[in-house]
Amino acid sequence: GQNIDQPTEMTATEGAIVQINCTYQTSGFNGLFWYQQHAGEAPTFLSYNVLDGLEEKGRFSSFLSRSKGYSYLLLKELQMKDSASYLCAVMDSNYQLIWGAGTKLIIKP
Amino acid sequence: GAVVSQHPSWVICKSGTSVKIECRSLDFQATTMFWYRQFPKQSLMLMATSNEGSKATYEQGVEKDKFLINHASLTLSTLTVTSAHPEDSSFYICSARASLAGESDTQYFGPGTRLTVL
Repeated sequence: GQNIDQPTEMTATEGAIVQINCTYQTSGFNGLFWYQQHAGEAPTFLSYNVLDGLEEKGRFSSFLSRSKGYSYLLLKELQMKDSASYLCAVMDSNYQLIWGAGTKLIIKP
Repeated sequence: GAVVSQHPSWVICKSGTSVKIECRSLDFQATTMFWYRQFPKQSLMLMATSNEGSKATYEQGVEKDKFLINHASLTLSTLTVTSAHPEDSSFYICSARASLAGESDTQYFGPGTRLTVL
């Protein structure tokens, strides 16, 4: 079967760095997405990786290793507003999105 | 874990026809379901929120007569795109919010339906 695994919850301190991991097993691969979702709001697109390596976008970076079925989202200089759920999703060979359950990130002062 | 399915996975239709997309929560009851639209590498745009047994709440700018939503049961919501036009071509994603104790804030997303209108 297809599945995406990511931690349920993580806690970090304001100003610190946190890495949210995502491992996947899917039938085919057409890219991996990271979304941020604040409570009661629609998910916001953060990144899309289809080739191996690190993509940096401001305070957020996303890494992909297709051979390992592994990605991580790295958040630097954490701010209180980064408290949210972070969703990992993989697009499979049929261009369907397989979603992780999301990681709730709690930022403490 | 909770699973949400969508049917069909993809559909191609002629301009002017109507298309129905189903969203089902397979192993849990969902009091609330959401319909989103996604353009490539962009954030999900919330179209409407549907609660079982009541009328859907549409976001500003979404035509309720064009995008008909029916949430007839706790496990099924349907989105019908009426008189579809090429500009309606998009990736439609639904999500369901569980009504389980302790999980009321968790949304589970469907795999999406790719609509192409010729």
